[in-house]
Amino acid sequence: KQEVTQIPAALSVPEGENLVLNCSFTDSAIYNLQWFRQDPGKGLTSLLLIQSSQREQTSGRLNASLDKSSGRSTLYIAASQPGDSATYLCARGTGANNLFFGTGTRLTVIP
Amino acid sequence: EADIYQTPRYLVIGTGKKITLECSQTMGHDKMYWYQQDPGMELHLIHYSYGVNSTEKGDLSSESTVSRIRTEHFPLTLESARPSHTSQYLCASGRGNQPQHFGDGTRLSIL
Repeated sequence: KQEVTQIPAALSVPEGENLVLNCSFTDSAIYNLQWFRQDPGKGLTSLLLIQSSQREQTSGRLNASLDKSSGRSTLYIAASQPGDSATYLCARGTGANNLFFGTGTRLTVIP
Repeated sequence: EADIYQTPRYLVIGTGKKITLECSQTMGHDKMYWYQQDPGMELHLIHYSYGVNSTEKGDLSSESTVSRIRTEHFPLTLESARPSHTSQYLCASGRGNQPQHFGDGTRLSIL
């Protein structure tokens, strides 16, 4: 079973804090690792995609890392803002671009 | 802005009815996907297509069926809805191994 686990399940932080979301996966034959954001009642928005040959990707205040040997990825959010409040999902991608998702971390940034 | 559209957004319907959930994309993507998401649970892939006349079952068994007669259209059908089909259904599309684009989902409730 290609299991993806995310901890914590929920996180509340005051505005301005830096934070790290964690994702772990059990299958080391990973093709890519993707991070998505899901707002209530909405679909998913792609944030970052890390190929298996890469160690990290950055977009603005977001930085995602990938450590295949330990089966872990982290999403670092710098200087959090209330608009960052959402559920963050990581997904392990196969060569066929099929995705296996974790259950997500629900982030609340308190003004 | 949405380039992938799902209708209806919400549907409450009685047991035994035939249901079709619509999904259309305007990006010319070859790959399309259907995911099922129960509250607080991870997304599971139930169907995917790599192009016209191509359909495959995903990692979660589903009683639904799909068709891909046109590139832009990937409807999902339940012949006889049951309460166990109550869930959120998300459609996505993509090209190659690029990140998938998601619709806003259909929230289905079977009474």
